[in-house]
Amino acid sequence: KAGVTQTPRYLIKTRGQQVTLSCSPISGHRSVSWYQQTPGQGLQFLFEYFSETQRNKGNFPGRFSGRQFSNSRSEMNVSTLELGDSALYLCASSFRAGTDGYTFGSGTRLTVV
Amino acid sequence: DQQVKQNSPSLSVQEGRISILNCDYTNSMFDYFLWYKKYPAEGPTFLISISSIKDKNEDGRFTVFLNKSAKHLSLHIVPSQPGDSAVYFCAAWAGTASKLTFGTGTRLQVTL
Repeated sequence: KAGVTQTPRYLIKTRGQQVTLSCSPISGHRSVSWYQQTPGQGLQFLFEYFSETQRNKGNFPGRFSGRQFSNSRSEMNVSTLELGDSALYLCASSFRAGTDGYTFGSGTRLTVV
Repeated sequence: DQQVKQNSPSLSVQEGRISILNCDYTNSMFDYFLWYKKYPAEGPTFLISISSIKDKNEDGRFTVFLNKSAKHLSLHIVPSQPGDSAVYFCAAWAGTASKLTFGTGTRLQVTL
């Protein structure tokens, strides 16, 4: 079966711009979570959506937002980009969250210049 | 507040020897723990997990040990192989509908 698909794989944006990243989960998975990975910081949790509802949110500023559609596909948006937003953004899906574990996509590498 | 900590950023082990990766946590509500492995330019992949009702779980060359009183878990890889060279993340769950909290990762290098 197809895995978690994230698009685009690479992105270069200028400070102040906004960006939208997309994630298509594994078919049948209803939970989608987003993480930011930066060197030395591990994977920082952004938010989780389950059946189109945001269920959990991490400690990121309001410039980071997301949504989930009825087909479980998810998007995250970052407005007014800052240099520090340069990171690998990972999306993970699971059937119901919890002990099922997550299946991750390959990520979107965002570079802000 | 880093609730899941991996204090060793890197580890180098010879091929055939044992690799031991450590993880400490502070949140006593965590009841399920997972290890993920990550290669560059790829997303993390699930390796092995353990419930808080157990103290050991084994899967082939990989064994995870949990010491709840010390809030410590470790991943043992025996024997280590060059293909095991990757970044390993420890993660913890505090029950259904909670987020999965990750540590900062340990880069394992298995040398010939």
